[in-house]
Amino acid sequence: AQSVSQHNHHVILSEAASLELGCNYSYGGTVNLFWYVQYPGQHLQLLLKYFSGDPLVKGIKGFEAEFIKSKFSFNLRKPSVQWSDTAEYFCAVGSGGGADGLTFGKGTHLIIQP
Amino acid sequence: KAGVTQTPRYLIKTRGQQVTLSCSPISGHRSVSWYQQTPGQGLQFLFEYFSETQRNKGNFPGRFSGRQFSNSRSEMNVSTLELGDSALYLCASSLSGGFYEQYFGPGTRLTVT
Repeated sequence: AQSVSQHNHHVILSEAASLELGCNYSYGGTVNLFWYVQYPGQHLQLLLKYFSGDPLVKGIKGFEAEFIKSKFSFNLRKPSVQWSDTAEYFCAVGSGGGADGLTFGKGTHLIIQP
Repeated sequence: KAGVTQTPRYLIKTRGQQVTLSCSPISGHRSVSWYQQTPGQGLQFLFEYFSETQRNKGNFPGRFSGRQFSNSRSEMNVSTLELGDSALYLCASSLSGGFYEQYFGPGTRLTVT
């Protein structure tokens, strides 16, 4: 079974700081990659996704992620965070044509201090 | 376009009882997936339904079951509830399953006492 690791469980940053959240997965075949965000009191929302093509994908709210196949990684980045980015961020991986659903990481709780 | 809706939003049940949760996908979406979210295990895939058929199933006991109706609405059922079943149950819909992007509902918070 595949697994997804998010190495940072809690991250605290000041506004305007740059952000990078790590995500590594274990599956060696073709994968589809996602980052979801859960703002306080809200449901999971898709930030961005990678299916194929350009490994640098841009999502909503200024977020981007880079797929590095050789490192089995899909790290999330934002050059300058805002207080409103405070949320839980989940990396998810799909493989095998959907046979196992999406596998999620444990999440990273991001707190932005004003 | 209305989002994914789940009912009820909160539920308290006693050990040994059974529970049914409901999910209405986004109009036009034919795939519905269910996930369990707990602080310890995170988000775990339960099963996926497409055109009234269960296509995929996660590693959960047979007490967890589901179904999908012809209008794509889905229900999941948990029988003989255990304390460990307390969790947020999330439903996600997508156009046709596989890895089309999934849109999540607000979840049903189940507490088992």
